[in-house]
Amino acid sequence: AQRVTQPEKLLSVFKGAPVELKCNYSYSGSPELFWYVQYSRQRLQLLLRHISRESIKGFTADLNKGETSFHLKKPFAQEEDSAMYYCALKANAGGTSYGKLTFGQGTILTVHP
Amino acid sequence: KAGVTQTPRYLIKTRGQQVTLSCSPISGHRSVSWYQQTPGQGLQFLFEYFSETQRNKGNFPGRFSGRQFSNSRSEMNVSTLELGDSALYLCASRAGQPASGQFFGPGTRLTVL
Repeated sequence: AQRVTQPEKLLSVFKGAPVELKCNYSYSGSPELFWYVQYSRQRLQLLLRHISRESIKGFTADLNKGETSFHLKKPFAQEEDSAMYYCALKANAGGTSYGKLTFGQGTILTVHP
Repeated sequence: KAGVTQTPRYLIKTRGQQVTLSCSPISGHRSVSWYQQTPGQGLQFLFEYFSETQRNKGNFPGRFSGRQFSNSRSEMNVSTLELGDSALYLCASRAGQPASGQFFGPGTRLTVL
């Protein structure tokens, strides 16, 4: 079985400071990792996929298989980054991509002016 | 493209009743997944449908069921409602290619009295 852990329920930083949201996972196979974000009064939306190795809104995340982590980072936080962030894992069972996502409990990020 | 839509947005039911929730995926998306979101348990996977077939199922009792139609629209049904079924039910659609992200609807807020 797979599991995703986000150790921080709340994270507060000041505008312009670096931010790192932690995500650790346990899964015996080769996972696909995602970060989802939910802004106030908006729906859950995809922020990053590890397979794309992209930077979205200044955020990056690197999959570290040795440490089983997928931390989300941004060098200079902005007030509009305040939101709930979820790390999610999709298991690859026998090479077939099914839609089940296992989510962490989420981290509420608050960026103060 | 229009996003994932869910109806109704809010529902109030009493214990013992049954309820049907509806989800219309993004045009062209053939995979639909359902999740239950509660403050205590977070986001939990219910099931996934692809081309009218259930491909994956989470750890929920048999009172929770679903189906998918030929146009990819999906419904989930909860019979014999319990107070603990009060939650936000999210639907997500996916194109179906490996590692494609899921796009979430706004959710249906179910309250069981």
